Amino acid sequence: GQQVMQIPQYQHVQEGEDFTTYCNSSTTLSNIQWYKQRPGGHPVFLIQLVKSGEVKKQKRLTFQFGEAKKNSSLHITATQTTDVGTYFCAETSNTGNQFYFGTGTSLTVIP
Amino acid sequence: NAGVTQTPKFRVLKTGQSMTLLCAQDMNHEYMYWYRQDPGMGLRLIHYSVGEGTTAKGEVPDGYNVSRLKKQNFLLGLESAAPSQTSVYFCASTLGRGWNGELFFGEGSRLTVL
Repeated sequence: GQQVMQIPQYQHVQEGEDFTTYCNSSTTLSNIQWYKQRPGGHPVFLIQLVKSGEVKKQKRLTFQFGEAKKNSSLHITATQTTDVGTYFCAETSNTGNQFYFGTGTSLTVIP
Repeated sequence: NAGVTQTPKFRVLKTGQSMTLLCAQDMNHEYMYWYRQDPGMGLRLIHYSVGEGTTAKGEVPDGYNVSRLKKQNFLLGLESAAPSQTSVYFCASTLGRGWNGELFFGEGSRLTVL
């Protein structure tokens, strides 16, 4: 079942401030994916991390996978109102058949 | 190319009624999933399928049944709806094994059980 814990549950930031959400697991993850869900929308894939210590960037978003592959983070630099939504991490089962999602972090950006 | 399509998008049921949610994908994906989303609980896996004719239980399968008679379709059934099944349901699909690809989601089906 679900093994990833995601924090914080909610985050309110002023526009221009940075934002970070964390996913932590008690077991070693084979990979981790990140998704964004806009209010009223559906989750949309952002990125997948596979390697220990991996760091990937997408414009203002930076994704990291821990050295022990037990944690991951998503950092947004200088938030914009377009960043509003809920960010989820997701792990796959050992068989690769199942995707388990964290509880998500809801980001509100105050203009 | 519509991606993943869910029908209906909204439905109101009375306790004890039955219904079926349909998920259709046109990307020739092998794996398909049904999730439910409730406030503060993220997305929880109900059932999934790794190919035509196969289904398996996820985290919260009780009260639901599924069928995958055709590769492109994955049906989620509620035999006797309960208020606890009020939720937003998402269907998703992916080409193959988890570490090879992303999940593509439908737009969701909002179900209310009175």
